[in-house]
Amino acid sequence: AQRVTQPEKLLSVFKGAPVELKCNYSYSGSPELFWYVQYSRQRLQLLLRHISRESIKGFTADLNKGETSFHLKKPFAQEEDSAMYYCALSVRSGGSNYKLTFGKGTLLTVNP
Amino acid sequence: SQTIHQWPATLVQPVGSPLSLECTVEGTSNPNLYWYRQAAGRGLQLLFYSVGIGQISSEVPQNLSASRPQDRQFILSSKKLLLSDSGFYLCAWSLTFGETQYFGPGTRLLVL
Repeated sequence: AQRVTQPEKLLSVFKGAPVELKCNYSYSGSPELFWYVQYSRQRLQLLLRHISRESIKGFTADLNKGETSFHLKKPFAQEEDSAMYYCALSVRSGGSNYKLTFGKGTLLTVNP
Repeated sequence: SQTIHQWPATLVQPVGSPLSLECTVEGTSNPNLYWYRQAAGRGLQLLFYSVGIGQISSEVPQNLSASRPQDRQFILSSKKLLLSDSGFYLCAWSLTFGETQYFGPGTRLLVL
């Protein structure tokens, strides 16, 4: 069965410091991974997906199949990055349909 | 553009009472629809998903049920609420051929 693990419930860094939110997955198929973010009083929304290989708001994430990881990184954290971050794994649920398995989330706090 | 609505935003119900939460999507056809429960420290738990009218898949056996009476309407129900049903319920949709999910604003349910 597929599983997504985010080992840190809470992560606190200072503004300007590098930040890395860890995500590990287990899945026998070809993985497709996402990071979702929920800012205070806002909807849960997609931050980035590995297939796009793009940087969003300064964040990047590289899929490492050898380590089964998809860690989210930003070289210089900003206070507005404070939010709950969820790593998610897309799993085929039949035909061309998919469902997401989410990790338990990491609450990032960026202190001034 | 597509939008997703949920109501009510907040609900306080006594134990043993029935429940009906509604989710509707606008601006797209035949979406995949999802119900999640979000709990602190437990992340996002997929409850139900639907790939079409009348088609419901249950992920976790529990006191809740889901129905999809129309293409863009997804309803979460219970005949008798339990205290443990309290939580934050999120509805989401995705295109049938893609995996990115778009989330609604959520409903906070408190069972007393």
